[in-house]
Formats: sequence, C-alpha cells, structure tokens
Amino acid sequence: GQNIDQPTEMTATEGAIVQINCTYQTSGFNGLFWYQQHAGEAPTFLSYNVLDGLEEKGRFSSFLSRSKGYSYLLLKELQMKDSASYLCAVGTGGFKTIFGAGTRLFVKA
Amino acid sequence: SQTIHQWPATLVQPVGSPLSLECTVEGTSNPNLYWYRQAAGRGLQLLFYSVGIGQISSEVPQNLSASRPQDRQFILSSKKLLLSDSGFYLCAWTEGANSGNTIYFGEGSWLTVV
Repeated sequence: GQNIDQPTEMTATEGAIVQINCTYQTSGFNGLFWYQQHAGEAPTFLSYNVLDGLEEKGRFSSFLSRSKGYSYLLLKELQMKDSASYLCAVGTGGFKTIFGAGTRLFVKA
Repeated sequence: SQTIHQWPATLVQPVGSPLSLECTVEGTSNPNLYWYRQAAGRGLQLLFYSVGIGQISSEVPQNLSASRPQDRQFILSSKKLLLSDSGFYLCAWTEGANSGNTIYFGEGSWLTVV
C-alpha cells in the first residue's frame, strides 16, 4: 500500500528551530511537497523536492532522501504565526498525490 | 495571476438533503481540477479529478458526484447526504497532468450534515 507518516503534534518555542519529519512508501515518486495549513483554512504550498538534498527558502528548508523514503521540513527563527499544520505530500505519478495526516505545530512564547 | 474560488464557505445540511459545491478558476486555461475532502485528523482524500470539460474520474466510490460543465468550473454534488459526508471540502487545480505539479487550493467549504 501507499503510506505517509509524520508526527501528529509538535511544540516548539518562539525563536527556536523545529524539524518535522516525514517518511513515505509509495508505488511511484514524482516529487515531495510540504504544505502549510492554518486552522480552518486551505493548505498553501511551501516547498517541493524531487532530487535528493536540501532546498532552502528563507526561514524554511526542506530535505529529501529518496533512497530512504524520508523528508524533513526545517523551520528556523520560529514565529507565533508558524503555528499551523504541516502536510507532507508525495506525487505518485499520473494525477495522484498522497497526503499525510499533517503535523500540528504549536509555537509557544 | 491565477485564482481559485469555491462556495459556499460553510453549510449545515440535514441528512438526506442534496448538496452542491461550486468552484471556479480564473487566469488559466484547461486546468486540471480536483475535489478533496479532509476529515479531522486524517490526510486529504482525493474524491474526483478532471482533465477537461465533461471528463470526470472518481477515486472513491460514494454518494457524491462531480461535474465540469465549463473549462474552469467544477461542481461537487450529492442527491442525498449522509452523516459521514461531513468534512472540509477543498477544490484545487494544477497546471498539466502531472502529480509533480504544485496543487493550488480554494478556500474550502465546511460541510456539517446533521
């Protein structure tokens, strides 16, 4: 079967760094996405990795290891507005993108 | 720039009543369109996708249906809602028929079936 695993919840302190891990097992691979979803809102695109390595975009970075079926999202200099759910998603080929259940991040002062 | 809108934003419907959620995309032609459902604590579930007018593929058998009467319009319907249909429904679009393309979501519609 196809599966994406990520922690259900994480808590971190304002100004700190947090790493959200994601492991996946899929029948195909067309790239890995991270989306941010604030409570009651739609997900918004954060990052995309299709090759191994680290992609940096401001305070957010995303890493991919295809051989290990593993990715992480790194958030630096955490702000209160970063409190949200972070969804890991894998494009499996064709039209199908599989989403994880999301990691709820709580940023405390 | 491209925009996507869906409505209504929230609705409370009795069991057995019909449903119609509508979605439109602006600023692009021939988008791939999707309907997702997000239940509490679960990942986004793909319900339907469409590559063109009148072309609908269903991912999950259920009492919902979708239609695409125009290039940039996508409608989710039901003739008789079930309690289990409650959830957050998201319309989305991508450019091109490739799951490596970024998915852009509408604002979402909260459906509560009572």
